[in-house]
This record gives sequence, C-alpha cells and structure tokens, in this order.
Amino acid sequence: DSGVTQTPKHLITATGQRVTLRCSPRSGDLSVYWYQQSLDQGLQFLIHYYNGEERAKGNILERFSAQQFPDLHSELNLSSLELGDSALYFCASSVGSAPYNSPLHFGNGTRLTVT
Amino acid sequence: GENVEQHPSTLSVQEGDSAVIKCTYSDSASNYFPWYKQELGKRPQLIIDIRSNVGEKKDQRIAVTLNKTAKHFSLHITETQPEDSAVYFCAASNGHAGGGADGLTFGKGTHLIIQP
Repeated sequence: DSGVTQTPKHLITATGQRVTLRCSPRSGDLSVYWYQQSLDQGLQFLIHYYNGEERAKGNILERFSAQQFPDLHSELNLSSLELGDSALYFCASSVGSAPYNSPLHFGNGTRLTVT
Repeated sequence: GENVEQHPSTLSVQEGDSAVIKCTYSDSASNYFPWYKQELGKRPQLIIDIRSNVGEKKDQRIAVTLNKTAKHFSLHITETQPEDSAVYFCAASNGHAGGGADGLTFGKGTHLIIQP
C-alpha cells in the first residue's frame, strides 16, 4: 500500500456529466500530481500542486480543473464528459516540490467510464 | 516540452534470461529518470531511479544506465523470473527544488513477458 488514497475506485457516468475525483496524499507529502492513463496514450501528466499552489500544468483540457486544499487533499474535476475521457486517473504524491529529490508514489487510481 | 520514447513495446524473454528496455529523451535539461513497474490493474510502482550526476545504478537484479550525451537510458533485468512479468515505464523530469517542477514525462511502456 502506497499510502495514497483515491476515491472512488470506479465511476460510471454519461456524456455531458461532471464528476469529481479525490486524492489524499501520504502523510507528510506536500505535492500531488494527477495523471491520466489510457490504452493508447500511456501515462499523461495533467497537473501538479505543491502545498496548495499550482506548480505545473501538462496536457490538461480546459474542461478539467483541479485544486489542492489546506489539508493537502486534492480534487480533480472533469466536466462536459466525452467518451474519450474514459480512462484510469492516477494521483501521485511526494514530499518535495520536484521529482528530482522526491520520488512519486502512486495511488490505486480511479477508473472512469463514460457511456 | 520533454518527449520520451521507449522501446520495445513488447518484450518476451525466457525465464532466467536478461531483459533490456531502452528509452530516449529530448530535453537535455532533464536530470531525473525513474522506472516504474505496473502489474495488470494495479498502480505504477517505482522500482529504481537515477539522477543525471551518475551513469549507472544497481539494485539486486535490476540496473539502470544513463548516457547523457546520447540522451538515452536503459533498464536491465537479469535472471528474470515469472513475477517480473508486467508493464515497465520509463520517465524523465527536469524538475528541481525551487523551480522547473513539472511532472514526470512517461514513455508509452514495455510489456515484459517472461516465458517459463
């Protein structure tokens, strides 16, 4: 067990809907990263938060947004969902502000299915 | 941004033989190169990493080598066992404390199959 908790484990919803994915980092970790994993695209970096502030953005769509709260948990909001948004969404956490000095530890993911 | 290419996409080896997976990266500023193992339906798990100030690192049956000039790094697994069967991902990052802290850029993965 990595200590990173993601809820829910599975989510099935319809096109056009909005969902929220939640991540609780390991105790003491200040960074939260969000990744999307689909079969044809591998692991795509979405966004990184460190101690409540956004640090970097990757290939995150405008329909997606995220935040990190004062208790350091993070939420990823996906709106106007499309079939192509079906994927496994991973959260990873680390102690520091950069992977170089602070390896990432992944949660078990949320599997999103859009029908 | 960074681009990471990984080869091969599938690798089948006999149990007990060695396996080598190769990755290239595009950003010469990248300084951290981890490898993750992902079993079917599970989360990626860090198995080994290397920083740009060293050329090789070993941990029991696994080793990683880095060639900064050529911008490529490789994962070597010796004496392969059935439990080594999984998808392996390489990644690169140019982040460092204080700035440039973007996320890891992953390769597309190698499905390693260990034949009994």
